Amino acid sequence: LAKTTQPISMDSYEGQEVNITCSHNNIATNDYITWYQQFPSQGPRFIIQGYKTKVTNEVASLFIPADRKSSTLSLPRVSLSDTAVYYCLVGEVNNDMRFGAGTRLTVKP
Amino acid sequence: EAGVAQSPRYKIIEKRQSVAFWCNPISGHATLYWYQQILGQGPKLLIQFQNNGVVDDSQLPKDRFSAERLKGVDSTLKIQPAKLEDSAVYLCASSYLAGVGDTQYFGPGTRLTVL
Repeated sequence: LAKTTQPISMDSYEGQEVNITCSHNNIATNDYITWYQQFPSQGPRFIIQGYKTKVTNEVASLFIPADRKSSTLSLPRVSLSDTAVYYCLVGEVNNDMRFGAGTRLTVKP
Repeated sequence: EAGVAQSPRYKIIEKRQSVAFWCNPISGHATLYWYQQILGQGPKLLIQFQNNGVVDDSQLPKDRFSAERLKGVDSTLKIQPAKLEDSAVYLCASSYLAGVGDTQYFGPGTRLTVL
């Protein structure tokens, strides 16, 4: 299983773009990169998933370089409601995916 | 579309007692997961079902934890006997399949406190 490393915490201000980087040096050929968001007292919620290059949806963008040894979740113009824990998971989709400790993002006014 | 349902939402028990949690996945979802989330940590997968068969239970403490998914729909997770370190939130999730493009949908969880 590919091990992931993310910053433990990050602070930002409303309206800023936030980039959270995840390292996964031993990612395997069949592995995808998936990000989840978790608010207090709730279960995690899917944000975005990708294999290579760039993926964008209505919530975020995911940048994956050619070597796939890292990935960056980009949240445009964050608001206070984006304060949450963000998890980077690497593995075969919905199989053998393991949550790490995540990155606690705090958005300040 | 109804989400993943879990009950109870909260449970307080004494150590060495037994407890059971129930999960009803999203209709039509073949894959069901149970996670344990200790305060301040990420969710830890305990068991994964595909329909009513076990796909992965490598992290399930089988001496005290058991889970079943009869008829490939609802599932129950049981702890017998409970230990203090079992205090955590138990999350159930489901997905349509276990493949690319499919995502896990999580329930609200059951918060277990073992005294």
